[in-house]
Amino acid sequence: NAGVMQNPRHLVRRRGQEARLRCSPVKGHSHVYWYRQLPEEGLKFMVYLQKENIIDESGMPKERFSAEFPKEGPSILRIQQVVRGDSAAYFCASSPDRAYQPQHFGDGTRLSIL
Amino acid sequence: AQSVTQPDIHITVSEGASLELRCNYSYGATPYLFWYVQSPGQGLQLLLKYFSGDTLVQGIKGFEAEFKRSQSSFNLRKPSVHWSDAAEYFCAVGAGDSNYQLIWGAGTKLIIKP
Repeated sequence: NAGVMQNPRHLVRRRGQEARLRCSPVKGHSHVYWYRQLPEEGLKFMVYLQKENIIDESGMPKERFSAEFPKEGPSILRIQQVVRGDSAAYFCASSPDRAYQPQHFGDGTRLSIL
Repeated sequence: AQSVTQPDIHITVSEGASLELRCNYSYGATPYLFWYVQSPGQGLQLLLKYFSGDTLVQGIKGFEAEFKRSQSSFNLRKPSVHWSDAAEYFCAVGAGDSNYQLIWGAGTKLIIKP
């Protein structure tokens, strides 16, 4: 069974460009979580999604960031007009239901802003 | 608000020596408790978890952790470290109605001396 797949593993963008990070959950998992890890820090919760629904986006910046988990296809974390401060590792996790622990984590996408 | 504290940013241990990494949390009831390990450039691997029951939990790679309610701690231990244990270790907590929203410590970087 494949685990959580994130791509790309590394993404380089120039300031002002858009970044799209993709996450395919474990097969059969319908709950997806995104976390951000800044250098020298632990992970910070960003958003929790179920298929076609955003359940909790309390950790997501109000501007420039959006997330979706469509009925078909991977979950997407989109960052518009990226700035240097967006440089971080972004991790996706999945679970079969919201109470299920532990969540399964992907290997992350390292985003670098030039 | 819930929080997780890992007081040691770096720990250096000789190969073959014992290891204890500290984790303290702030939460009124018993949370879900986790230890993850992250090798450089890699994702997060679950070492062990505590939900309830026996307060001493065994994990993978010879690690164990003890939940001490009176001290709000969940310290990670290993009797004899190997060079391959060099990595960053994260303690995480899931609590309450939003237990899917894992709260993370800042991590402890383990350095192994030959």
